Amino acid sequence: DQQVKQNSPSLSVQEGRISILNCDYTNSMFDYFLWYKKYPAEGPTFLISISSIKDKNEDGRFTVFLNKSAKHLSLHIVPSQPGDSAVYFCAASESGAQKLVFGQGTRLTINP
Amino acid sequence: GAGVSQSPSNKVTEKGKDVELRCDPISGHTALYWYRQSLGQGLEFLIYFQGNSAPDKSGLPSDRFSAERTGGSVSTLTIQRTQQEDSAVYLCASGLTGGLVDTQYFGPGTRLTVL
Repeated sequence: DQQVKQNSPSLSVQEGRISILNCDYTNSMFDYFLWYKKYPAEGPTFLISISSIKDKNEDGRFTVFLNKSAKHLSLHIVPSQPGDSAVYFCAASESGAQKLVFGQGTRLTINP
Repeated sequence: GAGVSQSPSNKVTEKGKDVELRCDPISGHTALYWYRQSLGQGLEFLIYFQGNSAPDKSGLPSDRFSAERTGGSVSTLTIQRTQQEDSAVYLCASGLTGGLVDTQYFGPGTRLTVL
C-alpha cells in the first residue's frame, strides 16, 4: 500500500510564478516530513523538512505546509526559477523508524 | 568534502546471475541506508545500518537480497539469482547519527538492468 502519495506526476510553471507541489499520506504515525529534490543522474538532495508539531516551515523561497487533519503537505516555491526544474519527492518517517517512506515524485518544469 | 559514492554507476546482468553493489558513505556517518527506485515509483526502503546495532532488514523484498557493512563504513548490497523485476536504480544514503531528524545524504545510485 502506498503510504505517501504524490498524485501529480508532473507540473509545469512559468518562471517567476509560484510552484505548489502536493503530497498526501495515510499513516497517522508519521511525525516528520521532508522534501527532496532530484536532478537526472544524481541522488536526491534534501530540501526542507517539517515536524508534526508545526504547520509551516520556511527556508528562503521554499515553504512547506502541513495539514495534519487532512494528512496533507505541500511545498511552495516562490518565485520559481529555471534551476528548480527537477523531480521532487515527498517523504515521511515516524519516531523509532529511521527509514523514510517516499512518494512517487512530481516532475517540476519551470518554463522561461 | 566527498559525498556518498556508489559503484558501479551502471550494471547490466543476465537473469540468474549474482550482483554486488557498493556504497562508500560520507566519512564519519554512522547511519547507512539502501533504497531502490523502480521505474515510475518512489524510493523504496531496503535496509538500514546504525553503528554496531543489528541492521533493520525489514525492507528487503526477498531472501535473494542481503547487505553488509564492514568496519562501520563501506556497504555492499548483494542480489543473488537476479530477476528482471530487480531492475531499478539502487540508492545508498548516509546520515551522521541516524536519528529521526538526521538528514540523509544520497549517492548518485547504481542503475541495475537485468536482461
